[in-house]
Amino acid sequence: EDKVVQSPLSLVVHEGDTVTLNCSYEVTNFRSLLWYKQEKKAPTFLFMLTSSGIEKKSGRLSSILDKKELFSILNITATQTGDSAIYLCAVEYGGSQGNLIFGKGTKLSVKP
Amino acid sequence: NAGVTQTPKFQVLKTGQSMTLQCAQDMNHEYMSWYRQDPGMGLRLIHYSVGAGITDQGEVPNGYNVSRSTTEDFPLRLLSAAPSQTSVYFCASSYAGTAFSSYEQYFGPGTRLTVT
Repeated sequence: EDKVVQSPLSLVVHEGDTVTLNCSYEVTNFRSLLWYKQEKKAPTFLFMLTSSGIEKKSGRLSSILDKKELFSILNITATQTGDSAIYLCAVEYGGSQGNLIFGKGTKLSVKP
Repeated sequence: NAGVTQTPKFQVLKTGQSMTLQCAQDMNHEYMSWYRQDPGMGLRLIHYSVGAGITDQGEVPNGYNVSRSTTEDFPLRLLSAAPSQTSVYFCASSYAGTAFSSYEQYFGPGTRLTVT
């Protein structure tokens, strides 16, 4: 059965902390892995990863993929209260573009 | 650009009623999809389309129909609503590409559906 598992499911930190969110997957014919941030509305795209070992970076957020061990991590450094959100990991898989399976998300709360 | 638009924002149906959730995008995206999001379940793919005239099933297609007659529109039809279909529905779109090209998926604002 194809699946994406995120951990932890929830996390509470204080401003300035660094956090690491995990996403592991088991799918047939992996194509790409995507990270999204969801606040009180629709998800917004963060990163798309297709190659192992190449870090993608955007400001204080970075992500890397390990296709051998079948996981990805999302790092957030110097967290701010505005980082509070649900972070979703999704894996695109199968013979053609477009079939995505999401994890259940990690709810991050950043306290002042 | 309006981006991805969804109507209605809220809807209450009685069991057995039918309705269509509308989704439109003005970015000339080939790929469009429908998700449902339930508490503790994350997003689950219902149906998707990689271009006009082409649709395919996702993880949870039962009880839903789609069609893609134009690039811009991708309506989701509930033929006979059931309480299990109470959820928040998101439509999304992006450019089509291979796994080796970067593409960003844009989400609509969502439709909150309650079936009583």
